[in-house]
Amino acid sequence: AQKVTQAQTEISVVEKEDVTLDCVYETRDTTYYLFWYKQPPSGELVFLIRRNSFDEQNEISGRYSWNFQKSTSSFNFTITASQVVDSAVYFCCVNAGNMLTFGGGTRLMVKP
Amino acid sequence: NAGVTQTPKFRVLKTGQSMTLLCAQDMNHEYMYWYRQDPGMGLRLIHYSVGEGTTAKGEVPDGYNVSRLKKQNFLLGLESAAPSQTSVYFCASSATVYMNTEAFFGQGTRLTVV
Repeated sequence: AQKVTQAQTEISVVEKEDVTLDCVYETRDTTYYLFWYKQPPSGELVFLIRRNSFDEQNEISGRYSWNFQKSTSSFNFTITASQVVDSAVYFCCVNAGNMLTFGGGTRLMVKP
Repeated sequence: NAGVTQTPKFRVLKTGQSMTLLCAQDMNHEYMYWYRQDPGMGLRLIHYSVGEGTTAKGEVPDGYNVSRLKKQNFLLGLESAAPSQTSVYFCASSATVYMNTEAFFGQGTRLTVV
């Protein structure tokens, strides 16, 4: 069985603040993949990033960065200089054994 | 470039009625999934399929049935709808049997059972 915990259900920040979304996962598999998806108010799910269990390098893409720490089973997501358009629900997911398991999601509200 | 298309987008059912949700993908993907999304619970896997003619149970399969008669289509059926099945349903597909491919999602179907 696998599980993803996103302890922060809602976060509210003011535009230009940095914000980190936490993700802790559980899996007994040694090979697995981690994902982040964004769900804007329009409702669709947008793929953001994929990381495999053997690659602990942090990744930066523009204002987005991801910190993967296998030792603590965490895959945290940071948005630098947040913008109103970043307001959405963000889901962390783990895929081990062909089943994609989602966390409960973190609703991020960025106020102008 | 349609991707994953779900039909219908909205539906209201009375308790005990039946209905079928249709998911169609035009990317020749092997894997297809049905999820339900409820507030605070993320997306939970109902059923999935690893190829044409195959289906398997996910985390919350009770009350639902599925069929994958054609590779591009994955149908989700509710035989006797219950208010607990009020939810937003998402279909997704992914390319290969490997875990590293991201899933592509449909726009969702908002189902209300009264």
